[in-house]
Amino acid sequence: GQNIDQPTEMTATEGAIVQINCTYQTSGFNGLFWYQQHAGEAPTFLSYNVLDGLEEKGRFSSFLSRSKGYSYLLLKELQMKDSASYLCAVGDSNYQLIWGAGTKLIIKP
Amino acid sequence: NAGVMQNPRHLVRRRGQEARLRCSPMKGHSHVYWYRQLPEEGLKFMVYLQKENIIDESGMPKERFSAEFPKEGPSILRIQQVVRGDSAAYFCASSPQPGTGYEQYFGPGTRLTVT
Repeated sequence: GQNIDQPTEMTATEGAIVQINCTYQTSGFNGLFWYQQHAGEAPTFLSYNVLDGLEEKGRFSSFLSRSKGYSYLLLKELQMKDSASYLCAVGDSNYQLIWGAGTKLIIKP
Repeated sequence: NAGVMQNPRHLVRRRGQEARLRCSPMKGHSHVYWYRQLPEEGLKFMVYLQKENIIDESGMPKERFSAEFPKEGPSILRIQQVVRGDSAAYFCASSPQPGTGYEQYFGPGTRLTVT
């Protein structure tokens, strides 16, 4: 079967660093996506990894290890506005996105 | 370049009525996806369409739900004889041809409330 696992909820402190993990088992692999979704809003695209390694984009970085079926999203210098759900999604052999349930990130002052 | 557009943003229906949700993809995108999201839950895939074709409807209930993406005009998700359990946010997303950089872009969603 196809499966995406990520923690349900995480808490971090403003100004700190947090790492949100995602593990996957899918039929085929055509890239891994991270999206951010604020409460009551639509998901917005954050990052795309198709090769192993780290992709850095400002305060956000995303890492991929295809052999381990593993990715993480790293958020640095956390701000209150980073409080949101973070969704991991994997493109399968048909380029369909398989979605994780999302990780709710709570930022405390 | 306008993003993905959905209307209405909020829709209230009584049990037994029909709900029609519309989605206009981003310019140049020919692939449309519909998702349902219940409060505090993740996205649930419903259906994937290209112009005039349903590619994958494995996530859509067999009864009461239908979707189309005609040659002209927006994609439509139709829910007949709505029930309270249909209350949810329905998101539409579009993407370009699958391949490099095929991230999906989401519309603002339609919040359906069934009373």
